[in-house]
Amino acid sequence: AQKVTQAQTEISVVEKEDVTLDCVYETRDTTYYLFWYKQPPSGELVFLIRRNSFDEQNEISGRYSWNFQKSTSSFNFTITASQVVDSAVYFCALSETDYNQGGKLIFGQGTELSVKP
Amino acid sequence: ETGVTQTPRHLVMGMTNKKSLKCEQHLGHNAMYWYKQSAKKPLELMFVYNFKEQTENNSVPSRFSPECPNSSHLFLHLHTLQPEDSALYLCASSPIAKAGHYNEQFFGPGTRLTVL
Repeated sequence: AQKVTQAQTEISVVEKEDVTLDCVYETRDTTYYLFWYKQPPSGELVFLIRRNSFDEQNEISGRYSWNFQKSTSSFNFTITASQVVDSAVYFCALSETDYNQGGKLIFGQGTELSVKP
Repeated sequence: ETGVTQTPRHLVMGMTNKKSLKCEQHLGHNAMYWYKQSAKKPLELMFVYNFKEQTENNSVPSRFSPECPNSSHLFLHLHTLQPEDSALYLCASSPIAKAGHYNEQFFGPGTRLTVL
């Protein structure tokens, strides 16, 4: 069965601190996709990144970086020099590869990040 | 203009009411989804539509009835709901993936539903 675990329910940091959000997944597929979404208080999930199982290169986008390690089934997300606007719930998700069904996303429980000024 | 819109944004209804949630996507996608987000729980996939055809019903109670008249619109008809159905209902869309690829889903802002 596929599963995504975000063990950190809530994280609170002070502005300018670095913070890492953990994501561990389980799947028996050899081809799969991982995602991170941000959900601000407005409710809309905002897509941040997609990574496929064959690409273990880490990625950096501005203050955001992602560390994908197949050996530990982890896809962690780091925000450098956090800002108040980063406060949100962050979801890690895993896709099934039965894309003929439109693709299903299995979400983790989410990590609520609070960045205080 | 946002890619995926949902109306209403907030809805309060009694257990005997009938209401509908609407979702519209302006992205030219062919797949649409309904998710339920309850407090302190992961998002739960409810329904998937590909090219207007329902391809997934994730054991959702019959008091939730989806409708997809075209690839741009998706409805969720609600009747005789229970208080535990109170949640944020999110709609999403995506292109149909090509073989060996996957396309990310784009979400609407959600409808906050309260069942009294």
